[in-house]
Amino acid sequence: DVKVTQSSRYLVKRTGEKVFLECVQDMDHENMFWYRQDPGLGLRLIYFSYDVKMKEKGDIPEGYSVSREKKERFSLILESASTNQTSMYLCASSLRGGTYFGPGTRLTVT
Amino acid sequence: AQSVTQPDIHITVSEGASLELRCNYSYGATPYLFWYVQSPGQGLQLLLKYFSGDTLVQGIKGFEAEFKRSQSSFNLRKPSVHWSDAAEYFCAVDPFMIKAAGNKLTFGGGTRVLVKP
Repeated sequence: DVKVTQSSRYLVKRTGEKVFLECVQDMDHENMFWYRQDPGLGLRLIYFSYDVKMKEKGDIPEGYSVSREKKERFSLILESASTNQTSMYLCASSLRGGTYFGPGTRLTVT
Repeated sequence: AQSVTQPDIHITVSEGASLELRCNYSYGATPYLFWYVQSPGQGLQLLLKYFSGDTLVQGIKGFEAEFKRSQSSFNLRKPSVHWSDAAEYFCAVDPFMIKAAGNKLTFGGGTRVLVKP
């Protein structure tokens, strides 16, 4: 079974803090993604990466950056957290054949 | 504009009854099609996928979906619903179908299913 793990299920941070969300997949997938999920807005793509050290902006990259130093790990960085970044963050990885999601990190910024 | 539409925001169904969730897409060519399920507080689990071939696709948990090109639809069905099927269901498309595009998915808004005893 494909396994995508995220470092935290729940996270509470203060406005202005730098926040790291970590994601690891164990299936040697080349493609990895970060989505955020908000009520009424569905899932929106923040960033994705199709290879180590490669990244591309998704639909809502503002306020975020990413890092992919190793194939299995894809990190989402909030440089200066703001309250409007309170959300559920979902990491995913894929090959042709399907995209597989982690359990999500519910981030609250106060 | 390219889009994925799930017309039903909420559906309530009795346990043991059949379930059908609708999904329509608007793309120039037939994209790759997926259904995901999300239980409360959980990530998304892949139920089934359609790339080509037989238009009736079998998935996990007793679900199936039928692709209809003429209607640009990919509806999800289950003959007999169990209480554990209460969840939110998302239809998704990969419009690019090539590796270089990174399998970016576009999601519908989701349908929340409530199961009555």
